Amino acid sequence: EDQVTQSPEALRLQEGESSSLNCSYTVSGLRGLFWYRQDPGKGPEFLFTLYSAGEEKEKERLKATLTKKESFLHITAPKPEDSATYLCAVQAGGSSNTGKLIFGQGTTLQVKP
Amino acid sequence: DAGVIQSPRHEVTEMGQEVTLRCKLISGHNSLFWYRQTMMRGLELLIYFNNNVPIDDSGMPEDRFSAKMPNASFSTLKIQPSEPRDSAVYFCASRQAETQYFGPGTRLLVL
Repeated sequence: EDQVTQSPEALRLQEGESSSLNCSYTVSGLRGLFWYRQDPGKGPEFLFTLYSAGEEKEKERLKATLTKKESFLHITAPKPEDSATYLCAVQAGGSSNTGKLIFGQGTTLQVKP
Repeated sequence: DAGVIQSPRHEVTEMGQEVTLRCKLISGHNSLFWYRQTMMRGLELLIYFNNNVPIDDSGMPEDRFSAKMPNASFSTLKIQPSEPRDSAVYFCASRQAETQYFGPGTRLLVL
């Protein structure tokens, strides 16, 4: 069964304190791994897509990496505005899958000034 | 671009009533996804359409739920009759290439 597990569930950081969020997955042929950010009361906002092991993507203070079993979202020198829930999702490969995403439960990040 | 538009943003109703949620896709996108988000179960896919055709409705909880896509830019999700356990935030998302873009959601409370 395709599955996504994120850890930790919650993370508190001081402003400037770098850290990483983990997304472990089991999927029958990875077609893509997606990171989203969700602010309270809003819909998930797309951040990155990773397609193959070894791939990396960066955006401001965020950097996403991918291996064959997990992905990391590295946050460098975070600011209070980075506080949000970060969601990881995978899309399985194969002809039977035409877009279905399986989401993890998310990591809620709080950055204190 | 206005992004995915959902209405209403909030809905409070009584058990047994019919609820209709609406979604307008981003122009040019041809796939639409309906999700439900709760604290207990997270984000779950209910149904998705490709070129107005339902592709996978295996996530629809039961016959009380139905979804339609009458044209390329608009979809509805209907719950009839509604029950308290349907209370959740319902999102729709439209897709371009492999990326799904989410709307702001409809927060549904069934009393």
